[in-house]
Amino acid sequence: AQSVAQPEDQVNVAEGNPLTVKCTYSVSGNPYLFWYVQYPNRGLQFLLKYITGDNLVKGSYGFEAEFNKSQTSFHLKKPSALVSDSALYFCAAPIRGSGAGSYQLTFGKGTKLSVIP
Amino acid sequence: NAGVTQTPKFQVLKTGQSMTLQCAQDMNHNSMYWYRQDPGMGLRLIYYSASEGTTDKGEVPNGYNVSRLNKREFSLRLESAAPSQTSVYFCASSESGRVLAQHFGDGTRLSIL
Repeated sequence: AQSVAQPEDQVNVAEGNPLTVKCTYSVSGNPYLFWYVQYPNRGLQFLLKYITGDNLVKGSYGFEAEFNKSQTSFHLKKPSALVSDSALYFCAAPIRGSGAGSYQLTFGKGTKLSVIP
Repeated sequence: NAGVTQTPKFQVLKTGQSMTLQCAQDMNHNSMYWYRQDPGMGLRLIYYSASEGTTDKGEVPNGYNVSRLNKREFSLRLESAAPSQTSVYFCASSESGRVLAQHFGDGTRLSIL
């Protein structure tokens, strides 16, 4: 079954330090991968996606993600963390639905990022 | 630009009561989704609608029904609420195709006593 996994439930980082939130995937064919962020009492917001091409993908709010095919990973990164980056982060990948041409997203269980002032 | 709007934002029900959660999107998206979010479980797909007139079960459909009323609206109904359905429910929409991002509403927080 196609899936994504986030091995860390929580990541703590000091403000100004680089941050990494990890994601590994198990999908067949060419993987399409997404990162979403969820702030308290809000829905998920799209951050960035990998489709093909450059292994370093840039997204919103200064985030970027590195696709590594040999390690089947798609880690989210930011060079300098802000307190306002504290949120829940989800990795996701599309899987085929039952209807013709339909796709669903399968999500990791989420990683809570806390940036400490 | 409203995006995806969910109503109500909060609701408390008693076991056995019924309820319909409403969702509307103004982005002219073909596909719409209902998820539930529980601590430590991530997001789990309940039902989705790939296009107007079609609905399909997701990972956790038991105890729920859906209606794709038109292209804009996708409702989720709990016919006989159970405490296990206490959760935060999210509606999302997207254009068709697997490379396109989903857009989420801000959720309905549902407690069943």
